[in-house]
Amino acid sequence: AQTVTQSQPEMSVQEAETVTLSCTYDTSENNYYLFWYKQPPSRQMILVIRQEAYKQQNATENRFSVNFQKAAKSFSLKISDSQLGDTAMYFCAFILGGSQGNLIFGKGTKLSVKP
Amino acid sequence: NAGVTQTPKFQVLKTGQSMTLQCAQDMNHEYMSWYRQDPGMGLRLIHYSVGAGITDQGEVPNGYNVSRSTTEDFPLRLLSAAPSQTSVYFCATRGGFSEGFGYFGPGTRLTVT
Repeated sequence: AQTVTQSQPEMSVQEAETVTLSCTYDTSENNYYLFWYKQPPSRQMILVIRQEAYKQQNATENRFSVNFQKAAKSFSLKISDSQLGDTAMYFCAFILGGSQGNLIFGKGTKLSVKP
Repeated sequence: NAGVTQTPKFQVLKTGQSMTLQCAQDMNHEYMSWYRQDPGMGLRLIHYSVGAGITDQGEVPNGYNVSRSTTEDFPLRLLSAAPSQTSVYFCATRGGFSEGFGYFGPGTRLTVT
């Protein structure tokens, strides 16, 4: 069975600084996808970034980037130039490739950006 | 496009009562699912469906029923509510991976007293 582990329940960062959220996963499969979701206090789940396992290049979306280490099964999220609006829960998620896969979530990291 | 809609947004039930959480989508996605979110537990899959007439259990299915008679709707039924079912419930659909995957409804906060 696949598992996703986020080892940092809470983190804080000063506005404009950089923060990295950790995520590790476990699978014996080769075809899978990884995601980071943001959940602000509004409760809405927002997709931040995604990574296909077969791609070696790390995904980037504006201030958000990932460090994908396939051999180590690690998928960390780096937020640059942190903004107050980045304050949220962040969830790492995994899904096997193919039409039958279900999203598996980590327990989340609560990020607070301080002014 | 409304995307994924859920009703109600909030609900309080007494132990033993039954209710149905509604989920509807207008994106013609075959895949729909229900998750519950509890503090410190992340999101856990309750039930999912890969098309009309097809449903299956997720990680935490006990106490919940689902059915899928149309592509658009995927209701979640609590047959006899228990305090352990106090949670936030999310309905989610899935498009293709190239679409970014994972369209979530706004959630329903359910309290069982």
